[in-house]
Amino acid sequence: GESVGLHLPTLSVQEGDNSIINCAYSNSASDYFIWYKQESGKGPQFIIDIRSNMDKRQGQRVTVLLNKTVKHLSLQIAATQPGDSAVYFCAETITGNTPLVFGKGTRLSVIA
Amino acid sequence: GAVVSQHPSRVICKSGTSVKIECRSLDFQATTMFWYRQFPKQSLMLMATSNEGSKATYEQGVEKDKFLINHASLTLSTLTVTSAHPEDSSFYICSAMDSGNYGYTFGSGTRLTVV
Repeated sequence: GESVGLHLPTLSVQEGDNSIINCAYSNSASDYFIWYKQESGKGPQFIIDIRSNMDKRQGQRVTVLLNKTVKHLSLQIAATQPGDSAVYFCAETITGNTPLVFGKGTRLSVIA
Repeated sequence: GAVVSQHPSRVICKSGTSVKIECRSLDFQATTMFWYRQFPKQSLMLMATSNEGSKATYEQGVEKDKFLINHASLTLSTLTVTSAHPEDSSFYICSAMDSGNYGYTFGSGTRLTVV
C-alpha cells in the first residue's frame, strides 16, 4: 500500500507484483520527462524518458505513461524485484539548455 | 555512455571553513552544468545553472556569494561552499548537459557534513 510520510510517500509492494508510481508535474510547457531511480547516498540513475508527443513508452520491465491533459506521469514496473527498492523521482524540462525540475519522489519498498 | 565524475564523495569540514566540490565530464563536452542540493528525505532542488565561460545563474533563495560556482572549461565545474555552517550539510549533486544531444548526466553526489 501507499503511505505519505513526513516528506517522501512510500509505496510497499510484494516481490513479483507490479508497481505504479505516480507524479504530478508542474509546468504545462514541459515537453520532456524523465524517471530516475536513486539509491541511498548515490546520484540519480536514468530509468526511462518520454517526450510530450507520446503518451506511452516502454522499456525493459518499465513503462512510462504521460497524460498532458492533467499533467500526470506514471512509472510502471513489472514483476518488481528487491533490487528495485529505491526512491523514484520524475523530472520535467523544456527541451534545450534548461535544467530538470524534480518532483517530490516516492520511496518504493519491495517486500520479499 | 556519458560519465560525470564528482569529487569528493564525502567531506566533513569545520564550521567556517570552505569546501570545493568538483564535477568533470569525462567523455563529452558540457557547456552547461546544473548544481542541485538534496536534504534528507527530500527531492533534488536546483541551486544554479552554470554555462562555460560565464557567470552562473542562481535560483531564488540561493546565495551566490556563499555558493561559488566556476565553470572555466567544457569539462569542469566546481562548487565552493564558503564559510560553511551546519545548515549547509546536505547532499550536493551536479548534472552535466551534453551539448551535442541535450542529454543529462548526473554525478554521484557529495555528502557534505559541517561540524
